This record gives sequence, structure tokens and C-alpha cells, in this order.
Amino acid sequence: SQQGEEDPQALSIQEGENATMNCSYKTSINNLQWYRQNSGRGLVHLILIRSNEREKHSGRLRVTLDTSKKSSSLLITASRAADTASYFCATDDPSGTYKYIFGTGTRLKVLA
Amino acid sequence: ETGVTQSPTHLIKTRGQQVTLRCSSQSGHNTVSWYQQALGQGPQFIFQYYREEENGRGNFPPRFSGLQFPNYSSELNVNALELDDSALYLCASRGTGGGYTFGSGTRLTVV
Repeated sequence: SQQGEEDPQALSIQEGENATMNCSYKTSINNLQWYRQNSGRGLVHLILIRSNEREKHSGRLRVTLDTSKKSSSLLITASRAADTASYFCATDDPSGTYKYIFGTGTRLKVLA
Repeated sequence: ETGVTQSPTHLIKTRGQQVTLRCSSQSGHNTVSWYQQALGQGPQFIFQYYREEENGRGNFPPRFSGLQFPNYSSELNVNALELDDSALYLCASRGTGGGYTFGSGTRLTVV
């Protein structure tokens, strides 16, 4: 079963707009990561945020983490057509097996 | 894009057959994990190997097995293929203290 759920499941925006995706998870975590996947191919790591961090930036990406609500958000600013992809959050397994538990993903489409 | 290479990229097998998928990791990446991703879903953890020994397993039956070799390559073997095994299989590896690097995956279709 999946630990996380992304919201919305699908998002369509115009180029230049901001895109916000949310992730909720069920158990305690050490860290949460966001990945991008183009056309059902490999996953590209975007950003990792640790449980003691509340916000992190990387280029046009901004990630927030609220451990009290067990939720995270990914903001992509000034979106581009090349940002069209599926985005997944992944949390580490608190039992320590080092596996990552992925959500169901948000499919983002950026229209030129 | 990544230092992890998977082969083949696409594969079609018949129900009941056996399949071996391969992954070549970056030098120094002692940990390798395999994930199954069904269409429209997130990746599901199959198992993980560290220094050639399995040290973690997800909810997959024993007909899913693996091997890791000293040269940083690994295999995922699936016996008695079922239609529901059709999916994208992803390999991910990491070194000590680093994050995971994913390969581009093998698309398996079981007919």
C-alpha cells in the first residue's frame, strides 16, 4: 500500500504560472523527498527535506513540510512546458528498512 | 541523465515464463533497491540489497528474487509471470550516506 497521497491527481496550468502540489503521509518520517518522472520513465530526484526542516528551496522549487499535519507541498514557480511530468513524494520507512514509500503522484501539464 | 543503467528497456513475456532484469549501478554504490510501478501508480518497493545480501523486502511473493554482484550490477528475477506483473521496474542505487539514483526502468509486458 502507498504511504502518501498527492493532491491534486492532475493539474493543468499555463506556462509562467505557479504549480502547487500537496502530499500527505501516514506515519512518522525522517525525511521526505520529491521526484519527477517524465513519460513513465526513470525518477529524477528533486529535493529532500528532513523532518526538522520546515522549508527548503532549490532553484524554482520550494518545498514545505508540516510534520504535525503529516503533509508537504511542492511549489514550482514560473512553470515551463518542460516541467510537464508526474511528481511524486516519497517518505522513508520509519521501521528503518531504508525503503522509500511513494505516493500516487500528481500529473502536471504545463501549456505553452 | 543518471549513472544507473537498466536493460532491457522494453520486454514482452508470456504468462508463466521467467524473466531477468538487469541493473548496472555507479561504482561505489553498495546499496541497490528495486521498485515496481504499475501504470498510473507510484513505485512500490520490492527489495533492497546491500553488499550482495538482501536487507529489506516489500510485500512481494518469493517468485520475485534478486542478486547483487561485486561489480555493482544487480538482477531482478521473476518466476511464473502473471499478467499483473506487467509494470515498469525501476532500479535505484546509492553509496554510503548519499541519496538514491534511479535508472530509466524496464517496461515489462506480460501477455
